[in-house]
Amino acid sequence: GESVGLHLPTLSVQEGDNSIINCAYSNSASDYFIWYKQESGKGPQFIIDIRSNMDKRQGQRVTVLLNKTVKHLSLQIAATQPGDSAVYFCAEPLIFGAGTRLFVKA
Amino acid sequence: ETGVTQTPRHLVMGMTNKKSLKCEQHLGHNAMYWYKQSAKKPLELMFVYSLEERVENNSVPSRFSPECPNSSHLFLHLHTLQPEDSALYLCASSQGTRDYNEQFFGPGTRLTVL
Repeated sequence: GESVGLHLPTLSVQEGDNSIINCAYSNSASDYFIWYKQESGKGPQFIIDIRSNMDKRQGQRVTVLLNKTVKHLSLQIAATQPGDSAVYFCAEPLIFGAGTRLFVKA
Repeated sequence: ETGVTQTPRHLVMGMTNKKSLKCEQHLGHNAMYWYKQSAKKPLELMFVYSLEERVENNSVPSRFSPECPNSSHLFLHLHTLQPEDSALYLCASSQGTRDYNEQFFGPGTRLTVL
């Protein structure tokens, strides 16, 4: 069946470094993906999305890369800040991955 | 503030109780959703409503009963729940269910079933 998964459950980075969070999907027909951020006590919040006709999209400090050949996408956060500490989900778009918890060390 | 509110934020209930969760969106969206978020599990889509009609029901037990009286309000009626139903229940809305639409989530209701 369809699945959207993440490679690592946790990621710890030093403040100021770049973070890369990965996601794999199984449905080759998927044509739209979303990254969400969920902070403690809150619901998921939209970060950035990408359609399958693109392989890269940039936002403010975030970049999403899509590799349709290997069915993989990643979220890159530049100059990670303490406020980036949260759980990050990829979604396809109603099927969610398990999430990666990002810890930012000061 | 995402424009989606949920009440109550916390709920403790016994297995024989009947309670309801409420969601309201102030975004003018046409679609609303219920998700279940359990510890160490992905978000599970429960129900999808589009223009007040249920368009998806992901094999959810009948002890969960959704209601969508209008496009701004969504309820989840609970009865005779089990302890394993304890979870965070998230409501979301989007402009539509087709095309490319991000979802806006409420803060969730933390449910504990004793």
